[in-house]
Amino acid sequence: AQTVTQSQPEMSVQEAETVTLSCTYDTSESDYYLFWYKQPPSRQMILVIRQEAYKQQNATENRFSVNFQKAAKSFSLKISDSQLGDAAMYFCAYTYGGSQGNLIFGKGTKLSVKP
Amino acid sequence: EADIYQTPRYLVIGTGKKITLECSQTMGHDKMYWYQQDPGMELHLIHYSYGVNSTEKGDLSSESTVSRIRTEHFPLTLESARPSHTSQYLCASSEYGKLFFGSGTQLSVL
Repeated sequence: AQTVTQSQPEMSVQEAETVTLSCTYDTSESDYYLFWYKQPPSRQMILVIRQEAYKQQNATENRFSVNFQKAAKSFSLKISDSQLGDAAMYFCAYTYGGSQGNLIFGKGTKLSVKP
Repeated sequence: EADIYQTPRYLVIGTGKKITLECSQTMGHDKMYWYQQDPGMELHLIHYSYGVNSTEKGDLSSESTVSRIRTEHFPLTLESARPSHTSQYLCASSEYGKLFFGSGTQLSVL
C-alpha cells in the first residue's frame, strides 16, 4: 500500500531560523512525484515545492528546499530564514505516474513561527 | 492569473436538505478532484474526474455525487445532508501533476 507519513504533528521555529519538516513514504513504484503543500489559516492550499523521483538533485524554491533520500523513502522540507507568514499546516503528498494525478496526503505538520 | 473558485465559502444547513457545492476553474484543466478534510487532519479524495462526462469515486467512501458536464465546472451534491457530512470540502484541478486548490467550503449540518 502507498502511504505518506508525517511524524511531527506540530513544530515551532523562531523567526529567521531554519526548520525541517519530516516526511516518509512507502511505494513500490519507480515513477513517482512528491510534493509539499502549505495550508495557511485561510485554508487555501498552495504548492510549495515538487520533486520528481527520477531527479537526483534536490528541488529548491527560494527559502524552501527538500532533502530527497530515495533509498530511505524520505522527503523532508527545509525552510530557511523562517517568516511569520510561513505559519501554516504543511502536507507532504505523493503521486505516481499511473495514478492520473490522484495524490495521497500525509496527516500534516502544524508549523508555528515565533517572533 | 487563472484560478479555481468554490462557493459557498461557509454553509450551515439543517439535516435532510439537498445541497450543491460549486467548483469552477478557468485554467482549462481536464483533471479535477474533490477532497474532504476534517479539522487538523489530512485530505481524503472522495471524487475525481479526468474530463467531461468522466467521474470516479475516490479512496474515501462518500454519499455525495458529482457531475462534469463542462470542463470548467465540477459540482458536488449531497441529496440529503446529515451531521456526519460536516467537514471541509476542497476542490482542486491539476496539470502535469501539480494541484491547484480552491479556498474550500466549510459545511456544517445541524
